[in-house]
Amino acid sequence: ELKVEQNPLFLSMQEGKNYTIYCNYSTTSDRLYWYRQDPGKSLESLFVLLSNGAVKQEGRLMASLDTKARLSTLHITAAVHDLSATYFCAVDIGRYSGGGADGLTFGKGTHLIIQP
Amino acid sequence: ETGVTQSPTHLIKTRGQQVTLRCSSQSGHNTVSWYQQALGQGPQFIFQYYREEENGRGNFPPRFSGLQFPNYSSELNVNALELDDSALYLCASSLGLAGGHVSYEQYFGPGTRLTVT
Repeated sequence: ELKVEQNPLFLSMQEGKNYTIYCNYSTTSDRLYWYRQDPGKSLESLFVLLSNGAVKQEGRLMASLDTKARLSTLHITAAVHDLSATYFCAVDIGRYSGGGADGLTFGKGTHLIIQP
Repeated sequence: ETGVTQSPTHLIKTRGQQVTLRCSSQSGHNTVSWYQQALGQGPQFIFQYYREEENGRGNFPPRFSGLQFPNYSSELNVNALELDDSALYLCASSLGLAGGHVSYEQYFGPGTRLTVT
């Protein structure tokens, strides 16, 4: 059974600081997704990482994937209050036909609070 | 291009009742997946439909069933509701294999908040 673990689960940080969220998974996969969720809202796609060594950046967020270590990181640079949200990583192990995305297995999420 | 839509937004049901939730996929997307998100947890995969056939299923009992229609919209049906079924239900559509290119992106709808009393 695929397991996806995120840490930390809760993170309170100050504006301007840097931090990293870690996502470990238990089964070989080269498809890793990061989502953001604001309270009471749906999931917003941040990054889709599809190969070993993939790195993507958008604004103050950068995600990377190491498929050999089964590890993805989401790095936050110079955090601002607007980045406060819950961040989920999810893994797709290509079980199904259709040629597209699988059913995703999600981590428990990292609840991030950025204080002024 | 419209995004993924779901209805209703909120729903309150009594234990033992049945419920149907609806999802309209993003235009051109032939794959829809349904997820259950309990409060404070990550979403859990229920099942996926591809071109009107169930394409995969997570660890949910048979009282969770679904349909996908020719226009790729979808329904999630839950029979014999239990208190633990209270959750946010999310559908996600994806393009899959199209024009020789595979897209793995999943686009989530706003969700239906189901409360079972």
